[in-house]
Amino acid sequence: DTGVSQNPRHKITKRGQNVTFRCDPISEHNRLYWYRQTLGQGPEFLTYFQNEAQLEKSRLLSDRFSAERPKGSFSTLEIQRTEQGDSAMYLCASSWTGTGRDQPQHFGDGTRLSIL
Amino acid sequence: QQQVKQSPQSLIVQKGGISIINCAYENTAFDYFPWYQQFPGKGPALLIAIRPDVSEKKEGRFTISFNKSAKQFSLHIMDSQPGDSATYFCAARGSSNTGKLIFGQGTTLQVKP
Repeated sequence: DTGVSQNPRHKITKRGQNVTFRCDPISEHNRLYWYRQTLGQGPEFLTYFQNEAQLEKSRLLSDRFSAERPKGSFSTLEIQRTEQGDSAMYLCASSWTGTGRDQPQHFGDGTRLSIL
Repeated sequence: QQQVKQSPQSLIVQKGGISIINCAYENTAFDYFPWYQQFPGKGPALLIAIRPDVSEKKEGRFTISFNKSAKQFSLHIMDSQPGDSATYFCAARGSSNTGKLIFGQGTTLQVKP
């Protein structure tokens, strides 16, 4: 068990460019979450998947954002036409919805996005 | 109704002292309350969690106290150590169906040697 892995760790791009982040969850986890964290704030929920199905999206997730989880394994988060306000840490978390009620979410170390 | 309010924003404690961080919520549908610890450049790591049918939970030096009627819960770090210096976030789960977590604003703890 190597934990949740996110790549890249840092991404610097110019405004208007598209960026894509990848998250590899803990292997047996069927749920995968994306959160966004700005400086000095707590993480904010963006979206989540159960297996390959995207079941909920936050209103924070504008039309420029899209997330996928093909085959229920890794996930990608793409931001099109990036804006200054997209600068943040993008965190991925995974969990297992087994028989227990309180399966914790395990977070990766995030991808820090900086928009020039 | 979806907010979780956390205080204080920052906290300085002497080594060996007790650190106390408080959170309050409005939505009585929240059913699970974890605390996360985050070091600079790292993702949040689960510290301890509680359900609203329990008033207190202790794991090592970390204790959660939960007051359901007041809709408040707090984290107590006993015998605080310099290695505990980090940012702490309380959170609440909207429902077990989604598992979505709503986080507080965070508390930056500094433990002075």
